[in-house]
Amino acid sequence: EAGVAQSPRYKIIEKRQSVAFWCNPISGHATLYWYQQILGQGPKLLIQFQNNGVVDDSQLPKDRFSAERLKGVDSTLKIQPAKLEDSAVYLCASSLVLTEEQYFGPGTRLTVT
Amino acid sequence: TQLLEQSPQFLSIQEGENLTVYCNSSSVFSSLQWYRQEPGEGPVLLVTVVTGGEVKKLKRLTFQFGDARKDSSLHITAAQPGDTGLYLCAGGTGGGNKLTFGTGTQLKVEL
Repeated sequence: EAGVAQSPRYKIIEKRQSVAFWCNPISGHATLYWYQQILGQGPKLLIQFQNNGVVDDSQLPKDRFSAERLKGVDSTLKIQPAKLEDSAVYLCASSLVLTEEQYFGPGTRLTVT
Repeated sequence: TQLLEQSPQFLSIQEGENLTVYCNSSSVFSSLQWYRQEPGEGPVLLVTVVTGGEVKKLKRLTFQFGDARKDSSLHITAAQPGDTGLYLCAGGTGGGNKLTFGTGTQLKVEL
């Protein structure tokens, strides 16, 4: 069974530029999550989708971050414009409905200079 | 806001030593998960515990969920260099699949 796929793996941009990350969850997983992880810390949930609907986006900085999952499968997370403090690893995870066990992709390491 | 504090934050030990990582909260969780994350990779689920007082063993790793379901511990016996990584606990609230992740424990096992 294929795992969660993410791309790109690494991205370096200058502040005020925009960037987009892509995630394809495990087949059949209706729930998809985007997390932000600062080096050495635990992941912080940015947004949770169930199918193509948003379940929780309370910690998403909506003035600069946006995410969509239009067809209920893959998802895109965008940052526009980026700030220095956005430098982090962006993790995508998926799970079956009614289960708390999440499966993570390898992440995208973003560096904002 | 639910918080999960892990201790210690950093741990550097020699191969063959034993260690315990703690995960504490003032909140009750319906389940507690432990993940291990290696550099450049996403967290990988090690175990899920759901019953207060539950103990699960995975080879040299022993996981325990506190009786009140507010805390958990991970004990590693005879640590090996392959155990090196960031250990994360995560608490589930039983509704909406949402997890709250702990602050993380960075473990380094040296030869």
